[in-house]
Amino acid sequence: GDSVTQMEGPVTLSEEAFLTINCTYTATGYPSLFWYVQYPGEGLQLLLKATKADDKGSNKGFEATYRKETTSFHLEKGSVQVSDSAVYFCALSDGVTGGGNKLTFGTGTQLKVEL
Amino acid sequence: DSGVTQTPKHLITATGQRVTLRCSPRSGDLSVYWYQQSLDQGLQFLIQYYNGEERAKGNILERFSAQQFPDLHSELNLSSLELGDSALYFCASSARDSLSSYEQYFGPGTRLTVT
Repeated sequence: GDSVTQMEGPVTLSEEAFLTINCTYTATGYPSLFWYVQYPGEGLQLLLKATKADDKGSNKGFEATYRKETTSFHLEKGSVQVSDSAVYFCALSDGVTGGGNKLTFGTGTQLKVEL
Repeated sequence: DSGVTQTPKHLITATGQRVTLRCSPRSGDLSVYWYQQSLDQGLQFLIQYYNGEERAKGNILERFSAQQFPDLHSELNLSSLELGDSALYFCASSARDSLSSYEQYFGPGTRLTVT
């Protein structure tokens, strides 16, 4: 079945450091890929998405590129802020029309940004 | 604010009891999804409804059931509760169940504690 593998956390960075959170996936079809963010005590917020190979999703300084050849969707940000501290989830949707498009999530990576 | 509402925010109940969690999707969204977030299982898809009909099922226990009503709100019923059912239950909605729309918007969740 479909699966998503994320790098283990927690990741601790200093403010303005470069962020990479690795995500790889296994899927039988042509999935859409997502990054969601969960701030403490809150629900999940969609951060960015990509629906086909070589698409780049971007939002709020974060970006990720859908790499079919390496089955990866790594999240990057050039300069993190304390306010970016949260748990980040990589997810895929199996893209089957009419068969439901449930999200399969990775385990989440906690990011802590310090001054 | 995603536009998805869930009630109640917190629920504390005893083993063997039955509870109902409620979700109202974003205005106009036809699909509703239920997910469970627990420390040991992570984020897992439970079930999806589209315009009142069950569309996809995940790792949902037989003690759990759901439905979507004509006004599109959904309820998740959990019965014969066990300690292991303690978790955050999220509802999400999306506009359509089609190739053009895979974005899911999450509610704030209901935290269930079984004692």
